[in-house]
Amino acid sequence: GDSVTQMEGPVTLSEEAFLTINCTYTATGYPSLFWYVQYPGEGLQLLLKATKADDKGSNKGFEATYRKETTSFHLEKGSVQVSDSAVYFCALSDRDTNAGKSTFGDGTTLTVKP
Amino acid sequence: DAEITQSPRHKITETGRQVTLACHQTWNHNNMFWYRQDLGHGLRLIHYSYGVQDTNKGEVSDGYSVSRSNTEDLPLTLESAASSQTSVYFCASSEFSFPNTGELFFGEGSRLTVL
Repeated sequence: GDSVTQMEGPVTLSEEAFLTINCTYTATGYPSLFWYVQYPGEGLQLLLKATKADDKGSNKGFEATYRKETTSFHLEKGSVQVSDSAVYFCALSDRDTNAGKSTFGDGTTLTVKP
Repeated sequence: DAEITQSPRHKITETGRQVTLACHQTWNHNNMFWYRQDLGHGLRLIHYSYGVQDTNKGEVSDGYSVSRSNTEDLPLTLESAASSQTSVYFCASSEFSFPNTGELFFGEGSRLTVL
């Protein structure tokens, strides 16, 4: 079945540091890929997405590129802020082989210190 | 604005009691899902529905049930609550018709404690 493996946390960075959170996936079909963010005490919300190979999703300074050859969707940000402290989830959804169910990684907790 | 709301946000109950968590969405999405979130396990799918009168079991469905009588609502019932069901529960919805590509829209969660 489908699976998502993401970098274990927690990750602690200083403000303005560069962020990378690795995500790789296994899928039988051709999935859409997502990064969701969960701020303390809240539900998950979509951060960015990519629906086909070589697509780059971007939002709020975060970016991730859909790499089919390496089955990866790594999240990056050039300069993190304290307000980026949250839990980040990589996920995939395959309309054709899994009828739209989403598969999530275990989440990576990011703490940014001033 | 369209949204997805869950109630109650916090619930404390006793072992053996029946509990129902409500989920209501105004996105008009066909797909609805219930997940539980536990430390070390990420998000695990409990039940899901692709439309009215359709329900399906997810990976951790034992002890839970759902029903879908309309597009907007997917209540989650714990028939006889157990301490292992202490968790945070998230409802979500999605659609694959343009412009949506399967991304999930989440509620704010319901924190359930079973004593």
